[in-house]
Amino acid sequence: GAVVSQHPSRVICKSGTSVKIECRSLDFQATTMFWYRQFPKKSLMLMATSNEGSKATYEQGVEKDKFLINHASLTLSTLTVTSAHPEDSSFYICSATRGAGNYNEQFFGPGTRLTVL
Amino acid sequence: AQTVTQSQPEMSVQEAETVTLSCTYDTSENNYYLFWYKQPPSRQMILVIRQEAYKQQNATENRFSVNFQKAAKSFSLKISDSQLGDTAMYFCAFTGPSNTGKLIFGQGTTLQVKP
Repeated sequence: GAVVSQHPSRVICKSGTSVKIECRSLDFQATTMFWYRQFPKKSLMLMATSNEGSKATYEQGVEKDKFLINHASLTLSTLTVTSAHPEDSSFYICSATRGAGNYNEQFFGPGTRLTVL
Repeated sequence: AQTVTQSQPEMSVQEAETVTLSCTYDTSENNYYLFWYKQPPSRQMILVIRQEAYKQQNATENRFSVNFQKAAKSFSLKISDSQLGDTAMYFCAFTGPSNTGKLIFGQGTTLQVKP
């Protein structure tokens, strides 16, 4: 199956700093990637849709200036949490879309645990 | 707007027995896709099974099968011969006819398989 990686797997940072999370599709080109946020024992909340070469589309309630998304190539999307605060601590998961005929399959990264002190 | 509801926060089952996880959804679309994902303690999301709404036949993948009731907007997952490795959080998910990959998830059901 297709592989999606995320880096780093976990990061601890101080309040006020910025953190960048990378999402890569390793063996396929992904025109669309998605970023989710997950709190402990809770569901995945879609944050934004990332399309290669265009601006990301953010879900309602997600601050686009705080969560900067860049989809620089067909295999890489980055999420930057700017001026992080403790309430931004969470598990962030990306997924990448691989088209196969008339069906687009989603492949998920292993997630990144962000802790803001 | 589409919604997905899982009304069972936690469930448990004895090893080798059968368990059914419930999911209901709401949509005005006629064609769409439904999924069950498994998230074990590693937190890696794993696709368990998918169902295309225009197909009447229920999807089956080895020990996993679904009961898709389109009129009732119900999509339950049956796990037969439960194994310890099935212990995980299970999410029901929906995507619309354009199938861009944008998934709407239910709240999740934590399943524990007991030895």
